[in-house]
Formats: sequence, structure tokens, C-alpha cells
Amino acid sequence: KNEVEQSPQNLTAQEGEFITINCSYSVGISALHWLQQHPGGGIVSLFMLSSGKKKHGRLIATINIQEKHSSLHITASHPRDSAVYICAVRWFRDDKIIFGKGTRLHILP
Amino acid sequence: NAGVTQTPKFRVLKTGQSMTLLCAQDMNHEYMYWYRQDPGMGLRLIHYSVGEGTTAKGEVPDGYNVSRLKKQNFLLGLESAAPSQTSVYFCASGLGIMNTEAFFGQGTRLTVV
Repeated sequence: KNEVEQSPQNLTAQEGEFITINCSYSVGISALHWLQQHPGGGIVSLFMLSSGKKKHGRLIATINIQEKHSSLHITASHPRDSAVYICAVRWFRDDKIIFGKGTRLHILP
Repeated sequence: NAGVTQTPKFRVLKTGQSMTLLCAQDMNHEYMYWYRQDPGMGLRLIHYSVGEGTTAKGEVPDGYNVSRLKKQNFLLGLESAAPSQTSVYFCASGLGIMNTEAFFGQGTRLTVV
């Protein structure tokens, strides 16, 4: 059983579409991260959330602590958004960090 | 501002050889981490450090050793490489145990033949 589940695993969409990537987790957490892994392999931290909602440019991340769920939204998607998006959580109990397997996003021009 | 720099970026080793991966950060971060990334799996923590001179085991520490002699550097060593250690290795640093933004290196692709 995976403690962090992401959906979908793969997503292909047309440029301009609104994108939603989901992350569900099964334990109490103190923080949740969304990371972006570029096709070349580099990883960039997008957001760190412990409650509510954060926005940066076309990216929006939300978290519902009670439902143990977070979403990453991309508005007006662009081919340069094509990447793997990774959710990571920090367990509240022992600071253990668990990563999801990632969602591979491909935006077609 | 270089951020987090890993060297080397690529390496091929023969089974039984040893090597050291270097991670350097210029952000004065206390926390540094080494992860491995394998196909179909999430990143897994190998070892981490909460400050200069300290190290701790992560989820998959066997076959690896680490040292943090200087705050800015975190070294990952493979004493006797095995094919199971073929992976992409990522170093990261931050101000806390993932309760603040984390910064990642570009990764090291290691193949053990």
C-alpha cells in the first residue's frame, strides 16, 4: 500500500487546457510539497503547503488536511509545462518523508 | 548563485568499484539529503544530515556511506558498487526537514555493470 498516491499517472492535454493533478495520502502530515521534474531530470520545488492554497503564476496548489488530499492546478497550460509532477509529504509523527511516484504531464501544441 | 551542485553528472562503474558523489550547496542550509530515483518508484531517502558533522540513515541506507565534514558539502560513498545501485541520485538541501522549500541538484546518473 502506497502512503502517497498520485493521479493520474500520465496525462496528455492540449495547449490551453486547465490541468489538475491529485495527491492523496494516508497519514497525518506536517507539510506537503509539489515538485516539478524536467525532461532533463532536474527537480524544482514548486510549492510547500501545510494548509489552504498557494498561487504562483499559472500554478495553484491546494490542500485539504481533513480529507488528506492536495491538488496542483495549471491554468492555460503550455508545452513547456510538460514534466513529471511529484507530490511529497512529511509525516507529522516522525518527520519521515514519502514521495509519490509522479504524474507525467505532456502538453501538446 | 549556484544553488545545489552535484558532481559527477554521469558515471559508469564496474561491480566492486568504489566512488564518491559530491553535493555542494551555497545557501548556508543546515539540512542536506541524498535520494535515489528508480523507474516506477518515488524518490527514496538514502541518508540525510541535519548539520555539519552529523548524518543519519534514511529509508534505503544499505551499501552507502555519507559524510558532512563541512556545512556546504555532503558526500555519498559507494564502497563496493553493485548493479542494484544503478540509479539516478539526487542531492537536496533546505532549512528544515522538508518543512521549508527544498532545493535539488541536477542529479547523477550512475550505472553499475
